[in-house]
Amino acid sequence: DVKVTQSSRYLVKRTGEKVFLECVQDMDHENMFWYRQDPGLGLRLIYFSYDVKMKEKGDIPEGYSVSREKKERFSLILESASTNQTSMYLCASSKTGNSGQPQHFGDGTRLSIL
Amino acid sequence: KDQVFQPSTVASSEGAVVEIFCNHSVSNAYNFFWYLHFPGCAPRLLVKGSKPSQQGRYNMTYERFSSSLLILQVREADAAVYYCAVCSMDSSYKLIFGSGTRLLVRP
Repeated sequence: DVKVTQSSRYLVKRTGEKVFLECVQDMDHENMFWYRQDPGLGLRLIYFSYDVKMKEKGDIPEGYSVSREKKERFSLILESASTNQTSMYLCASSKTGNSGQPQHFGDGTRLSIL
Repeated sequence: KDQVFQPSTVASSEGAVVEIFCNHSVSNAYNFFWYLHFPGCAPRLLVKGSKPSQQGRYNMTYERFSSSLLILQVREADAAVYYCAVCSMDSSYKLIFGSGTRLLVRP
């Protein structure tokens, strides 16, 4: 079974802080994703990576950056946290393939910015 | 713009067959994915494909621009959020998600 592990289930930070959310997958997947989930808005893609050191912006990248130094790890960085970044953050990974591969999710990190 | 549409809420009674509908405007789409999400847990893939599919109590219908998830003999424990997602041949590793459908189940 694919295991996607997010380092924290709950996190509370202050406005202006630099925040790191970590995600690790154990199935040698090429692709990794960061989403945020907000009521009524579903899953919105922030950034994704299809290879080590490669990254692409998703639909809502403003205020975020990412790092993929190793294949198994994908970090989401809030450079200067703001209250509108309070949300549930979900990490996912998938294998590259021709037929559209499913994404496997972690349990999520609920981040509160005070 | 590539978008996926699904109702915000569907209500059903226990034991019934419930249908959650999804349609999209994604160019060159070729696969649908249906995920189940309980709060605090990882979203879980239920069924996927580019043709009608079944996994246990979950059936998926398929048309080029729409899909329905059918849950047979629905139970109170099925109350959760269901996400429809579509992938496109333009970007085979990205999934475009709908905003989720909350399923309410009356006892």
